[in-house]
Amino acid sequence: NAGVTQTPKFQVLKTGQSMTLQCAQDMNHNSMYWYRQDPGMGLRLIYYSASEGTTDKGEVPNGYNVSRLNKREFSLRLESAAPSQTSVYFCASSEAPGMGEQYFGPGTRLTVT
Amino acid sequence: AQSVAQPEDQVNVAEGNPLTVKCTYSVSGNPYLFWYVQYPNRGLQFLLKYITGDNLVKGSYGFEAEFNKSQTSFHLKKPSALVSDSALYFCAVRDIRYGQNFVFGPGTRLSVLP
Repeated sequence: NAGVTQTPKFQVLKTGQSMTLQCAQDMNHNSMYWYRQDPGMGLRLIYYSASEGTTDKGEVPNGYNVSRLNKREFSLRLESAAPSQTSVYFCASSEAPGMGEQYFGPGTRLTVT
Repeated sequence: AQSVAQPEDQVNVAEGNPLTVKCTYSVSGNPYLFWYVQYPNRGLQFLLKYITGDNLVKGSYGFEAEFNKSQTSFHLKKPSALVSDSALYFCAVRDIRYGQNFVFGPGTRLSVLP
């Protein structure tokens, strides 16, 4: 069991470039999440998918889009990267929203110059 | 208003001494509370949760947490700290403003000194 995997691990983008962060889980979880982690601010929810076929905005969705490709995969897209999107991005999954613990991937460190 | 607060950025404790990492919350309804730990360059790992029931919750690696409704707190504790407990600790609370998802506190860095 790999748990939650994320690619890439590191990425450097120039302002205005686009990229997609990939996430996959092999625990048959229904819910998946994207967070960003910034120093002193904890984790902030960008988007989540409560179940396959649904996605909803979290606390900081501006500048991002997501796709729940199937039950296993949940991708995060930056259409036009900005320096303010420099952060560490974590994907997580859980059996269901609201009660169960979340399982986190190793993170993607993104720098936008 | 913040849903969850961790009033200390940093906690230092000597190995073998008891440790406490503080968390207070502010949400409507019954709180669902979690603690996670993050080691350097890793994702978060679940430690324990309070949903309902006994106010003292036991979790992984010898950690426990006490839910106090009157003080709206959920402090993380361990009777005897290990150097390997040094890490970043996050409290999280379910916030119905975001469906049934969780809001994380800013984190507390625990350093256990040998």
